[in-house]
Amino acid sequence: GAVVSQHPSWVICKSGTSVKIECRSLDFQATTMFWYRQFPKQSLMLMATSNEGSKATYEQGVEKDKFLINHASLTLSTLTVTSAHPEDSSFYICSALASGGFYGTQYFGPGTRLTVL
Amino acid sequence: GENVEQHPSTLSVQEGDSAVIKCTYSDSASNYFPWYKQELGKRPQLIIDIRSNVGEKKDQRIAVTLNKTAKHFSLHITETQPEDSAVYFCAATLSGGSYIPTFGRGTSLIVHP
Repeated sequence: GAVVSQHPSWVICKSGTSVKIECRSLDFQATTMFWYRQFPKQSLMLMATSNEGSKATYEQGVEKDKFLINHASLTLSTLTVTSAHPEDSSFYICSALASGGFYGTQYFGPGTRLTVL
Repeated sequence: GENVEQHPSTLSVQEGDSAVIKCTYSDSASNYFPWYKQELGKRPQLIIDIRSNVGEKKDQRIAVTLNKTAKHFSLHITETQPEDSAVYFCAATLSGGSYIPTFGRGTSLIVHP
C-alpha cells in the first residue's frame, strides 16, 4: 500500500527557535496533503490543507505565519513551526491523499512529536 | 461545515465479545466514510471504509454499516482480541471535490483478555 514518511519522528527545541517537519509520499504522488495536530487522548485537529504548487488553506484559528507550509512537489510537503513556544508542543501528523479514481484514500505519516522547552 | 459525532468515547469489552462504535454526520452530501485505528504513539491506519452507494461492507472480523437517511454509520468488530485495543476514529467527507475530512473525537477500545 501507499507509504507516507515523516521526518523527524521527534524533536526537542528551545523556545523561540523554528522547527521544520517533512512529509513525503514514498510510492505515490499526492497533490493534496494535510497537516494535523493531536493532543494526548484527543482527536486529530486539522491545521491546514496543502496543495502542490499553491498556497496552503488554513483552518480557522491556525496562524499561517506561525505554521508555514510549503508543498513544493508532488511528494513533499513541509511544516515549519516558527518561533516555537511550549504551547506548540504536540504530536504533528501529516497525511497524503492518494488520487486515483473518484474517491481518494488518505494515508498518514508516523507523526512528529515536538517538545518545546 | 461537516460535523461528526462519535460514541462512545470509551468502550471496554471482554475478549471474544463484539464491539460497536457509532458515528453521526451532519452534511448529507458526504459520500465517503473511512475508519481509522490508532495505536498509542503511532499513525492512524485505515482499517475499512464505505462509500455512500452501499449500505454495508465487511472485511473478516470488521464490518461497517451506513444509513444515509439517518446520517449515521457504525463500526462492528466481532470476536474481539486484545490486539484490537486502540483508539478508533471515524471520518466523513465529500470526495471528488474539495476533500476535507472531518474526524470524530475517537473511541478508546479496551479488550480485556
